[in-house]
Amino acid sequence: QQPVQSPQAVILREGEDAVINCSSSKALYSVHWYRQKHGEAPVFLMILLKGGEQMRHEKISASFNEKKQQSSLYLTASQLSYSGTYFCGTEEDSGGSNYKLTFGKGTLLTVNP
Amino acid sequence: KAGVTQTPRYLIKTRGQQVTLSCSPISGHRSVSWYQQTPGQGLQFLFEYFSETQRNKGNFPGRFSGRQFSNSRSEMNVSTLELGDSALYLCASRDGLAGDTDTQYFGPGTRLTVL
Repeated sequence: QQPVQSPQAVILREGEDAVINCSSSKALYSVHWYRQKHGEAPVFLMILLKGGEQMRHEKISASFNEKKQQSSLYLTASQLSYSGTYFCGTEEDSGGSNYKLTFGKGTLLTVNP
Repeated sequence: KAGVTQTPRYLIKTRGQQVTLSCSPISGHRSVSWYQQTPGQGLQFLFEYFSETQRNKGNFPGRFSGRQFSNSRSEMNVSTLELGDSALYLCASRDGLAGDTDTQYFGPGTRLTVL
């Protein structure tokens, strides 16, 4: 079942912070975050594993709350280059990695000067 | 290392025709997954191949099929095309046996338009 991302869209000024949430109705083993710029392929940002630590990619960090079946992506001091659509991909908990990702519909992030 | 490559990049077909898309994974990667991306549904998983065998399958009709060759290259075929098949088809590769942190890398996609 497809995870739900919120918000669907967010507009920031350079330097502002944002949080993108990803929620699932299923128990999760991992959450993968990607960013896709218009006309380009999705680019991997980070993986969060069940029982794992909060992850970071440059000034972007993410957390994974297994009990709430939810992950959050934190963008700090946003830069123009952060603009794009952010997708979370979830892997259901079947006792290990099953290599099957289900993606949310994405959050469109626009960073203006 | 070269990234994931997909051919062709753009394709225009008419209803009822069939189409074959190709994907070459990153060297050494044995797993190839296919996704359909549309504005309304987002990224939807089609299937995954590992060592020439389909390991996972999404909820798409039988008109969508795929295969993987011994060199890990993969093809996806759509028969009897419908207007709703117009989409960006993305291929992604990963090691396939690296366990928990096996990272998936996407290709640039093939933009299919069905008229």
